[in-house]
Amino acid sequence: DIQMTQSPSSLSASVGDRVTITCRASQGISNNLAWFQQKPGKAPKSLIYAASSLQSGVPSKFSGSGSGTDFTLTISSLQPEDFATYYCQQYKSYPLTFGGGTKVEIK
Amino acid sequence: EVQLVESGGGLVQPGGSLRLSCAASGFSFSDHYMDWVRQAPGKGLEWVGRSRNKANSYTTEYAASVKGRFTISRDDSKNSLYLQMDSLKTEDTAVYYCARVGRGYYYDYWGQGTLVTVSS
Repeated sequence: DIQMTQSPSSLSASVGDRVTITCRASQGISNNLAWFQQKPGKAPKSLIYAASSLQSGVPSKFSGSGSGTDFTLTISSLQPEDFATYYCQQYKSYPLTFGGGTKVEIK
Repeated sequence: EVQLVESGGGLVQPGGSLRLSCAASGFSFSDHYMDWVRQAPGKGLEWVGRSRNKANSYTTEYAASVKGRFTISRDDSKNSLYLQMDSLKTEDTAVYYCARVGRGYYYDYWGQGTLVTVSS
């Protein structure tokens, strides 16, 4: 199975900060990586697919990069609605696997 | 508008069975692969399994943790996806989500989830 490791597991940031979350795959997955945002009590929301492509309707303050084993999700200017938990997922091979999540909290 | 609505969750005893449904609307359901993903209370996301479309013979894939106990099926005439869960264990307690798989094999839409509690 491909293990997905996210870091950090949590972070505190202020409104307006630039935030970067990393995700590392235990083996190469090309660009078969997605990012999701989840708010408490809600379903996940798809943000990014193919490592760097924005889902329809997702604001451009979100961006993704990387290929192979190392990936990043960046939020350019954190807003109150962005405080949530973020997950990466590889869909290169079965079983599909998720990172453990990064909780973004208000400083 | 794409909508996915799960139902069928509830309280069940260990060893029991439950069938979840995911009703889809707003898109051509028969064209898409569909997945189940679960989330135990306070934990992260875990992939449960996949149903491929008719063009791919409705074949399925499962996580090792549920293989042999869970069965994914679909009825394209009803635009519905199902998850039959047998021999339930306490560790199956989770919110279960269905997700639409897009053309590039990534998720693009999620349902709101349904809670399954396995407890005596």
